[in-house]
Order: sequence, then structure tokens, then C-alpha cells
Amino acid sequence: GAGVSQSPSNKVTEKGKDVELRCDPISGHTALYWYRQSLGQGLEFLIYFQGNSAPDKSGLPSDRFSAERTGGSVSTLTIQRTQQEDSAVYLCASSLGLRQETQYFGPGTRLLVL
Amino acid sequence: AQSVTQLDSQVPVFEEAPVELRCNYSSSVSVYLFWYVQYPNQGLQLLLKYLSGSTLVKGINGFEAEFNKSQTSFHLRKPSVHISDTAEYFCAVSPSSIKAAGNKLTFGGGTRVLVKP
Repeated sequence: GAGVSQSPSNKVTEKGKDVELRCDPISGHTALYWYRQSLGQGLEFLIYFQGNSAPDKSGLPSDRFSAERTGGSVSTLTIQRTQQEDSAVYLCASSLGLRQETQYFGPGTRLLVL
Repeated sequence: AQSVTQLDSQVPVFEEAPVELRCNYSSSVSVYLFWYVQYPNQGLQLLLKYLSGSTLVKGINGFEAEFNKSQTSFHLRKPSVHISDTAEYFCAVSPSSIKAAGNKLTFGGGTRVLVKP
């Protein structure tokens, strides 16, 4: 079946602009995660959604970052007033929601802030 | 909180030779352990995971890993590598306690494996 999809695959923006990154999880997966992969910080957790529960936002690096998940499916990660240090690959993953379940990753969105 | 250390940032290896990628972790709670592989310009793919039971875990593509609780290690091995195994490999942990919210992964810094002909 279809895997996790992300769009756009690449995004180039100017410092100070807002960007939106989209994630379509695997159908039926109740858990959705956002991670960031950057040269300086490696792979780091950003935010986690599970069903109708309040999201775990503990990994968001600043209040310029926000995410929402509409209808328990598609998620959008928004970065406001982008900075050069936001340049990274943003990865989305989904799982069936149980603790031991495998997270399936999308191909990522490569963000470059000029 | 958890942390993961991958002791080698790069591992060059000849084709058909064995390879071992080292991973050590630190955690105040019990954890599940994972190895993911990332091929160039692709997302992460699960190689194998340890949840409980036998400490030797077999995964896809001929990889296996051994969980050692006393040494807090989860080293990945393959007896004979192929050119196609050239990729970056990530060790990760997530809390197994039912009290922990979610299973967000904490990753190591990654090990780049370059298989030479």
C-alpha cells in the first residue's frame, strides 16, 4: 500500500518568510510524528500526535514552529519567520499508535532558508 | 530522558567483509531499541527492533543486532556486506514504560557505511 508522503520534496525560501510542510500518513495510522534532520543537531523529535489526545509539543525548538493534524489524518508543520538555522530535512512518520509499533517514515522535505 | 551514542561516524568496509556498527544508550527507564537505515535522498527504513525476549534480533537484508542490558549496547552486525549496503545507519530508543507518552524516538548521530568493491 501507499507509504507516508510529504510535500513539497524541496522548499527554498527567504529568511523571514513563513513555510508550510505537509504530511500524509499511512491510512489507519493514529500516531503521527515530526522529526528534523540537520547537520548540526542530527535527528531530533519535534512533535507527536496520537488520536484525539493533546499533541506532545515538547520537541518544538521555538514558538515559531507549530503543527496541526486535521481530521486525524493529514498534518501540516508551519514555520513562521524562517531563519537560516531552520534549514534542514523535515521528516514525518506514522504508526499504528501502540508503543511497540514501528514508525514508518516519509521521504522528507528539504528546507533551505536563504 | 534518553541518549544514544554511535561510536563510529564513518565505517569503510570492503564488499563481502563483515561489519559491526556500535551503539550505546543511556536511559533512566526501560526502552525499546531500533536500527534504521537511510539510503541517499530517502527516508528512514526500519532494519530491526528489540522489544523483549531473545537478545539476538534478526532483521531485513541479513542484518542482526544483539541487546546487552549490562553494557547498555545494541550493536548491529552483518557477516558479509554488499555495495548496496552503502547508507547511513541510525540507532534509536524509545521508552517502553506504559507511563511514557508516546514512543518518540531518540536517535544516535548516525554511522555512514561505505562499501568498497
